[in-house]
Amino acid sequence: AQSVTQPDIHITVSEGASLELRCNYSYGATPYLFWYVQSPGQGLQLLLKYFSGDTLVQGIKGFEAEFKRSQSSFNLRKPSVHWSDAAEYFCAVGARGGNKLTFGTGTQLKVEL
Amino acid sequence: DTEVTQTPKHLVMGMTNKKSLKCEQHMGHRAMYWYKQKAKKPPELMFVYSYEKLSINESVPSRFSPECPNSSLLNLHLHALQPEDSALYLCASSPGLAPDTQYFGPGTRLTVL
Repeated sequence: AQSVTQPDIHITVSEGASLELRCNYSYGATPYLFWYVQSPGQGLQLLLKYFSGDTLVQGIKGFEAEFKRSQSSFNLRKPSVHWSDAAEYFCAVGARGGNKLTFGTGTQLKVEL
Repeated sequence: DTEVTQTPKHLVMGMTNKKSLKCEQHMGHRAMYWYKQKAKKPPELMFVYSYEKLSINESVPSRFSPECPNSSLLNLHLHALQPEDSALYLCASSPGLAPDTQYFGPGTRLTVL
């Protein structure tokens, strides 16, 4: 069975600083990997996804993530954080051949002005 | 257009009431999902419909009854709920073909008194 670990429950960064949110997964083969963002009381918005190919994927809002098979990681990065990026971020893994997503516990991002 | 709509946005109900949540998508997606999300937690999968047939039921209590009248519409019928059922209920849809990506609606905030 697949699993996802997001080691950081809370992260605080200053506006304009760089950001990296960590995600580690467990899956027997190459998984489908996703990052979603959720503002308070809202639904989840897809930031980016990795299925295959280039291990550096670009997403919306200036986010990118890098798939590292050797480290079983799919970390999310942004070079310069904006105050509007404050939200909850979820990493998720999907099994190939299925349509079930397993979510990490989330990282709450706070942005200091 | 990657929009999933959900109505109502908020719902307050008593434990003896019967109510329904509605989800709609017009992206031609063939898989639709119901999730339950408690505060500060990741979404928990409840049901999956694939090609209008129930394919996954994550051992959800029978007071929650899903229905998929057609490929664009998904309902969740609620009856005799408990206060602990208060949560954000999220609907999602996906094309239904691998690799699959789920797109989420804004959710219905349910309060059970």
